[in-house]
Amino acid sequence: DIVMTQSPDSLAVSLGERATINCKSSHSILYSSNNQNYLAWYQQKPGQPPKLLIYWASTRESGVPDRFSGSVSGTDFTLTISSLQAEDVAVYYCQQYYNIPLTFGGGTKVEIK
Amino acid sequence: EVQLLESGGGLVQPGGSLRLSCAASGFTFSNSAMSWVRQAPGKGLEWVSVISDSGGSTYYADSVKGRFTISRDYSRSTLYMQMSSLRVEDTAVYYCAKAISVAAHLYYFDYWGQGTLVTVSS
Repeated sequence: DIVMTQSPDSLAVSLGERATINCKSSHSILYSSNNQNYLAWYQQKPGQPPKLLIYWASTRESGVPDRFSGSVSGTDFTLTISSLQAEDVAVYYCQQYYNIPLTFGGGTKVEIK
Repeated sequence: EVQLLESGGGLVQPGGSLRLSCAASGFTFSNSAMSWVRQAPGKGLEWVSVISDSGGSTYYADSVKGRFTISRDYSRSTLYMQMSSLRVEDTAVYYCAKAISVAAHLYYFDYWGQGTLVTVSS
C-alpha cells in the first residue's frame, strides 16, 4: 500500500499569512505515460463532508479560490494557502489515486493564530 | 446541483449487519463511478470501496473485504453498501462519494454526501 504522510499535524497561521501543508508519498505516484502525479487535496470544515480542492497535484477544482495552490517535488507534495482567510479553518487531506487501495494522508488541521 | 443523501446508519451489535443507501441526483448516475469513504470519530478518512460506472468492477479495502458488498441500482439512482460481520472498529461516519475515474480502478472524489453514522457496540 502507498502510505501518505502529512505534516504538520496542525498549524496556526495569522489571517492574511501563508499556510503550507506537506504530504509525502511512500512511493512515486507519477505516471510516466502522461507525466501526471495522481494526487488530490481535500478540505474538511468542522461538521461537514470533505470538499475537493485540487487534483493532478496542482489543478484547482472549479470554484476553488486561487489562493489555494498545489505543487510537487518528487514524492513531496505541498498545498499552499497564499493568504489565509477565516473560512479556510479546516482539516486538509491528501489522497493518492495511483493504485488500489486508495489512501489518504492523516490530515493537517489549520487554525487562526 | 449534485446531491448525495446517505441513510441506513444506526446502532448495531458486533457481528450484526446493516445496509447503507445513498440516493444520488443532479448528475447522470449511470455515467459515474461511486464510492464509500468512512471516518471514525475524531479520525481521518479511510477509503472503503468503489464501484465502476457499469457496476462491472468493484474494489474493497482489505479491512472490509469479504464482509462488505457495494452495489448500485440504476433505476433508483442509488448506491448501496451491505455490511455484515460488523466489528467495533467499523464504527464511523460513512460518506458516499461520486468518483472520477482516471483509469481502471483509479479514482478521486468530486462530490460527497453528508454522511451517515454507523455505531457498532454491545
